[in-house]
Amino acid sequence: SQQGEEDPQALSIQEGENATMNCSYKTSINNLQWYRQNSGRGLVHLILIRSNEREKHSGRLRVTLDTSKKSSSLLITASRAADTASYFCATLPSGTYKYIFGTGTRLKVLA
Amino acid sequence: ETGVTQSPTHLIKTRGQQVTLRCSSQSGHNTVSWYQQALGQGPQFIFQYYREEENGRGNFPPRFSGLQFPNYSSELNVNALELDDSALYLCAGHRGQSNTEAFFGQGTRLTVV
Repeated sequence: SQQGEEDPQALSIQEGENATMNCSYKTSINNLQWYRQNSGRGLVHLILIRSNEREKHSGRLRVTLDTSKKSSSLLITASRAADTASYFCATLPSGTYKYIFGTGTRLKVLA
Repeated sequence: ETGVTQSPTHLIKTRGQQVTLRCSSQSGHNTVSWYQQALGQGPQFIFQYYREEENGRGNFPPRFSGLQFPNYSSELNVNALELDDSALYLCAGHRGQSNTEAFFGQGTRLTVV
């Protein structure tokens, strides 16, 4: 079963705009990670945020975590055509060892 | 560069055959996990190995098996291949068993015909 649900399923924006993707999950977690995947290739790790953290930044990426709402968001600022990819959230439920992925958001950045 | 490499990158097999996929992780990744990703879906957890022993399995039948070796390499074996086994298979290396980043390889695209 899917723990994480990304929203929206697909997003199309112009280069330079910001892109926001959301992830909701069902159970308490140890951490949540965001990954990028280009054209069915491997997953590239973007950011890990632990359950006791509320916000993290990495370059043009900003991730927030709201454990009370069981949700996270990924913001990509000043998007580029190279950001075109699928983005997945993966949660590590408390007391478990396996990451559970959502179905992803397909982001298309138009030049 | 994740430090995790998988081979082969692409593979075509016939239904009923057996396949072995390989993963090589960097030093310190004492945990390896395998995932199956069907087209248009998120990755699904197959199993995890920690210090050469399986310590967790997802909802996959016993014909999916694995091995982890002391040199941080591992294998995923699938027997009696079925058409639905066609997918991208991803290997991830971790430091420790949980609460750490998982670093993924580029995957092996398996097609069963």
